Amino acid sequence: SYVLTQPPSVSVAPGQTARITCGGNNIGSKSVHWYQQKPGQAPVLVVYDDSDRPSGIPERFSGSNSGNTATLTISRVEAGDEADYYCQVWDSSSDHPGVFGGGTKLTVL
Amino acid sequence: QVQLVQSGAEVKKPGASVKVSCKVSGYTLTELSMHWVRQAPGKGLEWMGGFDPEDGETIYAQKFQGRVTMTEDTSTDTAYMELSSLRSEDTAVYYCATGVRKPTYYFDYWGQGTLVTVSS
Repeated sequence: SYVLTQPPSVSVAPGQTARITCGGNNIGSKSVHWYQQKPGQAPVLVVYDDSDRPSGIPERFSGSNSGNTATLTISRVEAGDEADYYCQVWDSSSDHPGVFGGGTKLTVL
Repeated sequence: QVQLVQSGAEVKKPGASVKVSCKVSGYTLTELSMHWVRQAPGKGLEWMGGFDPEDGETIYAQKFQGRVTMTEDTSTDTAYMELSSLRSEDTAVYYCATGVRKPTYYFDYWGQGTLVTVSS
């Protein structure tokens, strides 16, 4: 089945830009979705279809996808952005089509 | 606005089965594509399966084939996920989530999660 690889952790100072990567074979040919999960809470969709934001998600959250890497970018990071972030794709040709990355813990210093 | 409310925590013995419910409000279940995702303690998200309205079929991850059954009661707008032959590795929080296919699935609304603990 398709594999998504994320760095276990990313650290950034408040006000700076955080970039969280999601690697996969030719991931640029797939639609990538991103979720934020805070401790004890359900995941929240923050970016879908590579770069679209659901209503209510700040413009500070953006996404891109090309080649073998998709990236979630969080600009002007705030303390409240500290969370786990997961990328996800749907691989229709697989016997396990719903695929999540292993998750990245974003720490705001 | 879709709201998903799940049933409460469960403690089960190895070999038993568990059935988790997910009550929908704000929409009817027939308008939605319901999926189930689980998360073991301290681990990442794992997709288990979901209903594909385009095909009219439920898709299960091969890992859970033969052990999981996802059903829906449209009269009460409640979805169910039953997992059998439980083992300690099935200890996890189980989430229901609505899937949007545009054209590939993502999950826009999530239940609050149900903790299932498997222990002798």
